[in-house]
Formats: sequence, structure tokens, C-alpha cells
Amino acid sequence: EVQLVESGGGLVQPGGSLRVSCAASEFTFSNFAMSWVRQAPGKGLEWVSSISGTGDYTYYADSVKGRFTISRDNSKNTLYLQMNSLTVEDTAIYSCAKAVFRGLYGGNYLDYWGQGTLVAVSS
Amino acid sequence: QSVLTQPPSASGTPGQRVTISCSGSNSNIGYYYVSWYQQFPGTAPKLLMFRNNQRPSGVPDRFSGSKSGTSASLAISGLRSEDEADYFCAAWDASLTGFVFGTGTTVSV
Repeated sequence: EVQLVESGGGLVQPGGSLRVSCAASEFTFSNFAMSWVRQAPGKGLEWVSSISGTGDYTYYADSVKGRFTISRDNSKNTLYLQMNSLTVEDTAIYSCAKAVFRGLYGGNYLDYWGQGTLVAVSS
Repeated sequence: QSVLTQPPSASGTPGQRVTISCSGSNSNIGYYYVSWYQQFPGTAPKLLMFRNNQRPSGVPDRFSGSKSGTSASLAISGLRSEDEADYFCAAWDASLTGFVFGTGTTVSV
């Protein structure tokens, strides 16, 4: 069974930085795109970023573009999200998800999710 | 920011059929397949439906999905108490070049 385990969350002051990680196992990590999705307390799901299997292509939500950077180390089966210039609006549980990108004819969706790591931005 | 609109809640008695709608636009649902996710409190979302109406292995056939134009829907027939959860629709958006999620629907039984 696919396993996705996030880590690195915590309390950070506004304007600060944090890097969260996602350790993947039980599938060929480099063959699949990955995504980060966040959920503010009591709120809905918000897509944050996605990255192709090779890492050559990255995509960002407008709300984080220029502040967050998604990356991956396929040798370590690990996905990262570097978050800079954090604001209170970034407070959320950050979950990684294995992505299936088959485009118009195959569909794009997130087939496995991790439990998430809480990022709290507060002074 | 949610781009897809869902009703905040839906309810039914055991055995009934409940339908959840998901409204989008030409740049997302009108163009791409829709997926649905089920989330219980304090747990990770689980893929419930992909490519509009395809169920992953293990998802009961009580769950069905459909899409027409810029809207999609998820139906739960033979409603059970264990179906009480939050349900989110999602689609890729060509304009945003990313996933967009629905506002979420809480189903009560």
C-alpha cells in the first residue's frame, strides 16, 4: 500500500520560512507527479503546488507563487515544499498527494494522500 | 480559494439516495475529468471517484458519479451511517494550470 508521511510542520512567525517534507514508499516515486494540498482549520481543500515525476515541471497556486517552491529528490523518494514569507493565511495542514496526470483524455487526480503536517503562522 | 461550488450540506435517512452537485466553468469541469474525495474528521482525504464516474478498487458501487457540461454530481444510494463525511469535487483548471477543489459538502445520515 502506498505510504506518504509528511514532516517538518510547526509554529513560525509571520515573514518566516519553513520546509515541509513528504517521505514516499511502496510505489516507484520517480514515475509519478506529486502535489501539495492544504486545509486551513475547519475549511476546505486548497491545491498548493504540483511537480512532475522528473521534477522538470512545476505548478503553483496564485496564492503561493513566488513564495513557495516545490521540489523532489527521487533518490530519497522525498517531496519538499519550501515556504518563505509566510503569513497567517498560510496556516493549515499541508498534505502531500500522489498525482495521476493523464490530461484531457485520461484525467488528472490525486489517488493517495498523506495525513498531513500542521503549519501554524503566528506571532 | 475554491472555484467549484458545492452545497454546504446534504442529508438523508438510511437507505435513501443523496446527490451532491459540483458546479464549475468551461476552464475546469467543462474541459477536464472530475474527481471526488471523501474525508472523515481528522483523517486524510480518500479518492472516491476519478474520470467522472470511475471507482477505485474498494469503493462500493453505491457511489456513482456523472458529469454534464460544466457541472458534475456524486450520488450515494442506499445511504449508510458510515457515509457521514465531507465530500469534495475537484478538476484540473486550464486557466489556472492547477487543481481546483469544490467548497465541500457535509453529508449527514
